[in-house]
Amino acid sequence: AQSVTQLDSQVPVFEEAPVELRCNYSSSVSVYLFWYVQYPNQGLQLLLKYLSGSTLVESINGFEAEFNKSQTSFHLRKPSVHISDTAEYFCAVSTGFQKLVFGTGTRLLVSP
Amino acid sequence: DTGVSQDPRHKITKRGQNVTFRCDPISEHNRLYWYRQTLGQGPEFLTYFQNEAQLEKSRLLSDRFSAERPKGSFSTLEIQRTEQGDSAMYLCASSKEVGVEQYFGPGTRLTVT
Repeated sequence: AQSVTQLDSQVPVFEEAPVELRCNYSSSVSVYLFWYVQYPNQGLQLLLKYLSGSTLVESINGFEAEFNKSQTSFHLRKPSVHISDTAEYFCAVSTGFQKLVFGTGTRLLVSP
Repeated sequence: DTGVSQDPRHKITKRGQNVTFRCDPISEHNRLYWYRQTLGQGPEFLTYFQNEAQLEKSRLLSDRFSAERPKGSFSTLEIQRTEQGDSAMYLCASSKEVGVEQYFGPGTRLTVT
């Protein structure tokens, strides 16, 4: 069975500062990895994904994540955050076409 | 493509009542998933369909829960004899036959009083 750990429940950061949201996973088989973002009272939006190939993946709004198989990690980073990045971020893992297994989420709080 | 839609967005019901939620996936997505999200937690898998076949059910899906996707298009999730512990956000997602990415709807927030 797969599991995902997001150790930081909340990450406060000032606008224009860099941020890293940590995600570690556990699986005995190859996995696909995802980051989803959830704004208040909304569903989840796919932010970025690792399926295969390059271990560094990027989103259109400046986020990036790096798949590290030896560390079983998929940390999310952004070099300079905006107020609008304030949201809940979920890391998820799957082994194919079946269910996603999510972490408990990290709330990113960006203040001026 | 229009996104995944869910109806209703909010539902308040009294304990013991039955409720039904609807999910319309992105057109031509043949996989459909239901998840439940409680406050402060990540979504938890409930069940999934490939076309009209229900292929997996979580043990979270008690006998009071039933899901259908009769024609392989929209799906319904029914909860019978609701309990306060059923209060949560119910999320629906869909994916393409050859894609592993799941796209989520806005969710239905259920409050059981």
